[in-house]
Amino acid sequence: GQQVMQIPQYQHVQEGEDFTTYCNSSTTLSNIQWYKQRPGGHPVFLIQLVKSGEVKKQKRLTFQFGEAKKNSSLHITATQTTDVGTYFCAGRGGNTPLVFGKGTRLSVIA
Amino acid sequence: DGGITQSPKYLFRKEGQNVTLSCEQNLNHDAMYWYRQDPGQGLRLIYYSQIVNDFQKGDIAEGYSVSREKKESFPLTVTSAQKNPTAFYLCASSPRIGRSTDTQYFGPGTRLTVL
Repeated sequence: GQQVMQIPQYQHVQEGEDFTTYCNSSTTLSNIQWYKQRPGGHPVFLIQLVKSGEVKKQKRLTFQFGEAKKNSSLHITATQTTDVGTYFCAGRGGNTPLVFGKGTRLSVIA
Repeated sequence: DGGITQSPKYLFRKEGQNVTLSCEQNLNHDAMYWYRQDPGQGLRLIYYSQIVNDFQKGDIAEGYSVSREKKESFPLTVTSAQKNPTAFYLCASSPRIGRSTDTQYFGPGTRLTVL
């Protein structure tokens, strides 16, 4: 079945450093979504990308969808302690539920 | 949160007992989901439902059962057949499955501990 791989599993950064997490699918995706889960909380939707090569920005967060619609990335510029949490990508190939990656847990050292 | 409620937040049960986790949504969503989350394992799909009185197995359905008698409700029963039931359980809903606009909204989760 469809698989969504996400790397790295963990990332520790100093506050102010940049952070990137990558998501790769074994099949072409119709869309990709990103979610953030704060420690002790539940996943919260951040954004959805649909078009090949699409780039979207939310303040310090930049999301990209690959040209082949098989990979995506989330980049955070100048991390802050409020960015701490686990970031999940999720994608779908057809008329099936989203498949979630295992997530990247981000720790920010002040 | 997001119009989805799960109760209780923490649940303790003895080994061998069945336990039912509740999930209610007031978002008028057709689709509902149950996920299990273990440390380092991400979100694993247990069951999902696209419409009332219909549900499908996810990746790890063994030892679990669900029902969808009402649009708003999608309870999950963790049976004694589930080998390792201690986990964090998340319920979610979306307008539908298979469209580009089916963002999932998650409940706050239930942390189940089986003693």
